[in-house]
Amino acid sequence: GNSVTQMEGPVTLSEEAFLTINCTYTATGYPSLFWYVQYPGEGLQLLLKATKADDKGSNKGFEATYRKETTSFHLEKGSVQVSDSAVYFCALIRTQGAQKLVFGQGTRLTINP
Amino acid sequence: GAVVSQHPSRVICKSGTSVKIECRSLDFQATTMFWYRQFPKQSLMLMATSNEGSKATYEQGVEKDKFLINHASLTLSTLTVTSAHPEDSSFYICSALPSGRAFPDTQYFGPGTRLTVL
Repeated sequence: GNSVTQMEGPVTLSEEAFLTINCTYTATGYPSLFWYVQYPGEGLQLLLKATKADDKGSNKGFEATYRKETTSFHLEKGSVQVSDSAVYFCALIRTQGAQKLVFGQGTRLTINP
Repeated sequence: GAVVSQHPSRVICKSGTSVKIECRSLDFQATTMFWYRQFPKQSLMLMATSNEGSKATYEQGVEKDKFLINHASLTLSTLTVTSAHPEDSSFYICSALPSGRAFPDTQYFGPGTRLTVL
């Protein structure tokens, strides 16, 4: 079946540190991959996406590259800010059959000033 | 931007009672809404897809008689947990897909409802 595994949190970093949140997936075929972010008290928001191998999604300084050979979609940011504190979810959707989002368990990120 | 609200944000109820959770799209119409459930430190699991004016489509393993979904208008879907028990305690999240837009990256999520059943 389809599944997504994220690194366990919580993750705590200092401002301006480099961030990596690992995400690997299991799926048949070539799913589209997503990162969602949930800020405190708000709903999930789409952060970035990639729809095919070697695609790089980017937004707000965050990047993730679709790696088919390692079935990974790690989220990175070169210099985090306090305002990046949130919960991050990796997700996939199949390209065939009934479409539905399959989420990882979420990683809570806290950035200290 | 598009906003989806959920009410209540938190609810505590006694075992055996029913609880209704509302999901509203505040500034757009949504033909389709989704209901998810999230256990602590686990991923969001899709429970059902709610379509305005028709019956909801439930995921395998979700009891439709236990989790009643009503999508009576283009801006409101409700989830009623009937005869709630402690194992139903969870975080329930809805999302709404603007009418005429393509799934999945244009759906908007609500902030979630924390249900605790004593």
